[in-house]
Amino acid sequence: DIVLTQSPLSLPVTLGQPASISCRSSQSLVHSDGNIYLSWFQQRPGQSPRRLIYKVSNRDSGVPDRFSGSGSGTDFTLKISRVEAEDVGVYYCMQGTDGRTFGQGTKVEI
Amino acid sequence: QIQLVQSGPEVKQPGASVKVSCKVFGYTIISYAVTWVRQAPGQGLEWMGWMNSNDGNIRYAQKFQGRVTVTTDTFTNTAYMELRSLTSDDTAVYYCARDVIGSEDYWGQGTLVTVSS
Repeated sequence: DIVLTQSPLSLPVTLGQPASISCRSSQSLVHSDGNIYLSWFQQRPGQSPRRLIYKVSNRDSGVPDRFSGSGSGTDFTLKISRVEAEDVGVYYCMQGTDGRTFGQGTKVEI
Repeated sequence: QIQLVQSGPEVKQPGASVKVSCKVFGYTIISYAVTWVRQAPGQGLEWMGWMNSNDGNIRYAQKFQGRVTVTTDTFTNTAYMELRSLTSDDTAVYYCARDVIGSEDYWGQGTLVTVSS
């Protein structure tokens, strides 16, 4: 099974400053169709997960452009260019190349 | 408007079964697979399995093999997840989500299942 390891697990941030979360896979996430199915989700307290990024770097509709995703193969990153108060929550990476696996989650707090 | 609306909270005794429903709106359920994910209190997200009612493809996480069944009713646009032989470790919020080739874009509001004697 594919294992996703996120770091850090807790991320204190300062409003207006950048933040970055890493997600490392135990094996390549390149699918046989050539795509990399790595997504990022935000979960605010008491809410369902919300997808921010799919296929590594594609931002979902309505997601602020301060969120960006990058990476390849086994190493991926979610970046927030300037943290805002509404960004507080837990962020998960998820692979969809073989079944589904979630990272442990990174708690972002001001 | 795409929505996934799940059934209400459940309280079950150890050893019982629970069946959670997920009615989809804004698209036909045969167009996309439905994924099931759970989240124990204070814990992370855990994938349970999915079903694609268009081609009948079903896949379960190894952890839940033999204990979970996912089905869909294409007439009512509703997906179901049944989990059997419940223990206190199954206390969690259960989510359904629309699967769009390698990812999940729309999620239900979650259903809290509490297992307690």
